[in-house]
Amino acid sequence: NAGVMQNPRHLVRRRGQEARLRCSPMKGHSHVYWYRQLPEEGLKFMVYLQKENIIDESGMPKERFSAEFPKEGPSILRIQQVVRGDSAAYFCASSPIGTGVEETQYFGPGTRLLVL
Amino acid sequence: AQSVTQLDSQVPVFEEAPVELRCNYSSSVSVYLFWYVQYPNQGLQLLLKYLSGSTLVESINGFEAEFNKSQTSFHLRKPSVHISDTAEYFCAVSDRGAQKLVFGQGTRLTINP
Repeated sequence: NAGVMQNPRHLVRRRGQEARLRCSPMKGHSHVYWYRQLPEEGLKFMVYLQKENIIDESGMPKERFSAEFPKEGPSILRIQQVVRGDSAAYFCASSPIGTGVEETQYFGPGTRLLVL
Repeated sequence: AQSVTQLDSQVPVFEEAPVELRCNYSSSVSVYLFWYVQYPNQGLQLLLKYLSGSTLVESINGFEAEFNKSQTSFHLRKPSVHISDTAEYFCAVSDRGAQKLVFGQGTRLTINP
């Protein structure tokens, strides 16, 4: 059973460009979470999605950031008009049920975004 | 809002020595508690978790953690560390009924031969 897949592993963008980060959950998992890890900090929750639904986006910046988890295909975290402060590692996690955190979240390897 | 404090950003120890990584959380309401480990350039792997029941939980590689409700702590311990334990360790908490994990800042464990 393959784990959570994220691509690309590394992404370099210039200021003002768009960044698209992809996450394929583990087989059988229908709940996806995105976290951001700024340099020298812990992970911060961004958004929780189920197929075609955003359940909790309380950690998402109000502007430029969006997330989706379509019926088919991976979950996408999209950052428009990137700025240097967006440089971070972005981790995706998935869980099988998600009705409570007793369903453990399994993490992907992360995408390290560098904005020049 | 829930918060997690890992008191030590770095912990250097000698191989085969015992180690304790400290974790305190802010809220005493019902919580789930986790320790994750991150090896260099990799994602997070679940090390152990407390959901309910026995307050002492163990991992398969010799780590253990004890949930102490009165002190709102979930410290991670290992009686004898190995070079391969070198990694960053994150404590995480979730309020029951919530989906999101709140992470501490991480503790970098360095094992010296």
